[in-house]
Amino acid sequence: DAGVTQSPTHLIKTRGQQVTLRCSPKSGHDTVSWYQQALGQGPQFIFQYYEEEERQRGNFPDRFSGHQFPNYSSELNVNALLLGDSALYLCASSLMEEDQPQHFGDGTRLSIL
Amino acid sequence: GNSVTQMEGPVTLSEEAFLTINCTYTATGYPSLFWYVQYPGEGLQLLLKATKADDKGSNKGFEATYRKETTSFHLEKGSVQVSDSAVYFCALFQTGANNLFFGTGTRLTVIP
Repeated sequence: DAGVTQSPTHLIKTRGQQVTLRCSPKSGHDTVSWYQQALGQGPQFIFQYYEEEERQRGNFPDRFSGHQFPNYSSELNVNALLLGDSALYLCASSLMEEDQPQHFGDGTRLSIL
Repeated sequence: GNSVTQMEGPVTLSEEAFLTINCTYTATGYPSLFWYVQYPGEGLQLLLKATKADDKGSNKGFEATYRKETTSFHLEKGSVQVSDSAVYFCALFQTGANNLFFGTGTRLTVIP
């Protein structure tokens, strides 16, 4: 049973560029959430997708956008990259039910030069 | 609002020592509480959870009890191993918000 998979594992970009990160949820899960984890910090919630719509959003600017596909996989897009966007981006999947623990992928390490 | 406060790290212990990592939270209503562990270069793994007051979550020798009166969810292990070296995150899941709020993490290093 495959868990949450993310690609790529590492990425290097320069300021002003755009990036797309990808996530496949754990089998049977229908909800995907994205988190940003800066070095030495806990993950911060970016947004959540369910039924191909953004359901919840954290305190992140519109440069951060996403998409969910009919097979429940998801993409995170970040435009006009800033140095401060350097972080580990984690995808988590779950079932859209209360109190269901989220299962995390290993993340994509994004470095901005 | 929702927030989680963890004890500052790093924590360094000798093998077989007793571990406590403190965690307190602020939330409206009755959140579920979690401990996640992050090994070097990896994502987060769910370690244990508790969904209501006085529940005790346990896994791999780790335990934590949901204390509503003190708004705490301290992580304990009676005898740590070198393989327990990792970063530990306390988190809450607020019904309706549908996302996790994390503490800043506590790095544990266990030396032989």
